[in-house]
Amino acid sequence: LAKTTQPISMDSYEGQEVNITCSHNNIATNDYITWYQQFPSQGPRFIIQGYKTKVTNEVASLFIPADRKSSTLSLPRVSLSDTAVYYCLVADQTGANNLFFGTGTRLTVIP
Amino acid sequence: GAGVSQSPSNKVTEKGKDVELRCDPISGHTALYWYRQRLGQGLEFLIYFQGNSAPDKSGLPSDRFSAERTGESVSTLTIQRTQQEDSAVYLCASSLAGTGLAKNIQYFGAGTRLSVL
Repeated sequence: LAKTTQPISMDSYEGQEVNITCSHNNIATNDYITWYQQFPSQGPRFIIQGYKTKVTNEVASLFIPADRKSSTLSLPRVSLSDTAVYYCLVADQTGANNLFFGTGTRLTVIP
Repeated sequence: GAGVSQSPSNKVTEKGKDVELRCDPISGHTALYWYRQRLGQGLEFLIYFQGNSAPDKSGLPSDRFSAERTGESVSTLTIQRTQQEDSAVYLCASSLAGTGLAKNIQYFGAGTRLSVL
């Protein structure tokens, strides 16, 4: 079971770029890295997923170094609506170990 | 198509009563997960179903907790003799895990908020 470590909380001003790093030292060869976002009173929702190097979509970028022991979620020009908890999850495609969400990182965007 | 649906959205019960929480996954999703989330905390894994395989019950906190799933459809989480410590939001998710059709992404319902008085 690949466990993850993230900062408990982060603050950022509106319009800034935010980078949240997740450590996963015992990631396995078949594991992917997935990030979720959770707003109050809602279930988490998928943001981005990657295996190595860099992945970018309309919402965020995900940077993964060659050793894959960490990953960084990058949110460009955050707004107040990006205030949420962000979870990093490492798991393979079978779903059998897709189980450890950890405590996540609480991002607060300040006006 | 519809997302993951959970019912009820809120449940208030008295200590010692049994409760049943329902989850309707996205049609075609073979994997189904239950999590518990206490106020201000992260997600705590409870149980995982994958197709017709035996479920992974390793996260169930006690024998008062059980869950069933009918084929690849509805799942019910049952908590017997509820305790105040069971108060939490219970989240259900489904995914295409193990199908080879897509990378494993979980889609969550809005959860059931359980309050045990």
